[in-house]
Amino acid sequence: QSALTQPASVSGSPGQSITISCTGTSSDIGGYNYVSWYQQHPGKAPKLMIYDVSHRPSGVSNRFSGSKSANTASLTISGLQAEDEADYYCSSYRSSNTYVFGPGTKVTVL
Amino acid sequence: EVQLVESGGVVVQPGGSLRLSCAASGFNFDDSDMHWVRQAPGKGLEWVSLINWDGESTYYADSVKGRFTISRDNGKNSLYLQMNSLRGDDTALYYCAKDGPGAFGLDSWGQGTLVTVSS
Repeated sequence: QSALTQPASVSGSPGQSITISCTGTSSDIGGYNYVSWYQQHPGKAPKLMIYDVSHRPSGVSNRFSGSKSANTASLTISGLQAEDEADYYCSSYRSSNTYVFGPGTKVTVL
Repeated sequence: EVQLVESGGVVVQPGGSLRLSCAASGFNFDDSDMHWVRQAPGKGLEWVSLINWDGESTYYADSVKGRFTISRDNGKNSLYLQMNSLRGDDTALYYCAKDGPGAFGLDSWGQGTLVTVSS
């Protein structure tokens, strides 16, 4: 059982904005600015979308943004597109140089 | 171009051992911390282990601590995962991943190698 909580699914129409939450504790998300987000299409390896809460790697669309408040991190996808349909995982540093992933959120573009 | 290629995944009996390998190219391997992450069939991602750039520091998830050992050979640009006392819940696709920009973000992943623990 994951130590982080994500909604199982989120959906939106093309062009809309959606937000995926990732809730942890003061021992992980709340204690460090070390949250990352990954996109995974079926049968493919995960892809880094956001690192260190709100930073986008080179090549990732600026439609993806990250934030954090207290023990909850969020990934927002604006201008939703068909290609955004995928599973999304949050991940956080915990104490003693260990890491944890959330259970994943399936994003459906209606 | 960064490339990570895992190998070594097979069907193994419960209690058995296995060593996974990850061949790295296209970046300064000996400057990079490296991780293993696994994904059980139809399930989510699970962080497994981290090794720092020079191999001096290693860290493990509680679920594998004492059974798995991560190591690296910077001269061969290779990462390894020695897996002992394998159990059914170790069945998964095992990815190696490179620690990238900032403090935490796995910016490059291999295609994974499948480990099946079954009698």
